[in-house]
Amino acid sequence: EAQVTQNPRYLITVTGKKLTVTCSQNMNHEYMSWYRQDPGLGLRQIYYSMNVEVTDKGDVPEGYKVSRKEKRNFPLILESPSPNQTSLYFCASSSPRGQNTEAFFGQGTRLTVV
Amino acid sequence: AQKVTQAQTEISVVEKEDVTLDCVYETRDTTYYLFWYKQPPSGELVFLIRRNSFDEQNEISGRYSWNFQKSTSSFNFTITASQVVDSAVYFCALNGRAGNNRKLIWGLGTSLAVNP
Repeated sequence: EAQVTQNPRYLITVTGKKLTVTCSQNMNHEYMSWYRQDPGLGLRQIYYSMNVEVTDKGDVPEGYKVSRKEKRNFPLILESPSPNQTSLYFCASSSPRGQNTEAFFGQGTRLTVV
Repeated sequence: AQKVTQAQTEISVVEKEDVTLDCVYETRDTTYYLFWYKQPPSGELVFLIRRNSFDEQNEISGRYSWNFQKSTSSFNFTITASQVVDSAVYFCALNGRAGNNRKLIWGLGTSLAVNP
């Protein structure tokens, strides 16, 4: 089954404690990205990756890091989480066939930083 | 600038009513793509439809239909004979063009409640 898998689904952590949210896709997609969803602000892109070892900032990259060492994985790293990073996070991937392909989304990770 | 506006924040209907969710977009691109996604209470994002800027044909899929009008920059979504399972937040999105970034530009969503 084609899917994007994020883990964990829910996470409560304390300020400053490094964490990683994993994302894996099994569709051989080249393009992957991370979004965060906040009430009143909608979904905003954090980082994206065009291919292995190719990553770039989205609209709200501050406080986040990513890596793309393998095509299937695109982890989101919060080196020192802060309460303003409390949000619902989505990983997405899409095929290399251009802009008209839909993005497949993971199930979401609900992060709370206290 | 590119923008997607979903003016209806919340809609409440009674089961079996028809309901239309509005989406208005702004873009300077001549080629672009529009999408609708559904976010049920469980939180995941479910793809519903995509439409490219050159295809203004309306689309129907079961109880769902979409009306794309370039002249008014609108891509509206209608649910016919709504059901309780249709209760969700619905997002309209535009595929922006910032280099190779296939970033989706999202509306703020319309929360639809279908009551029995």
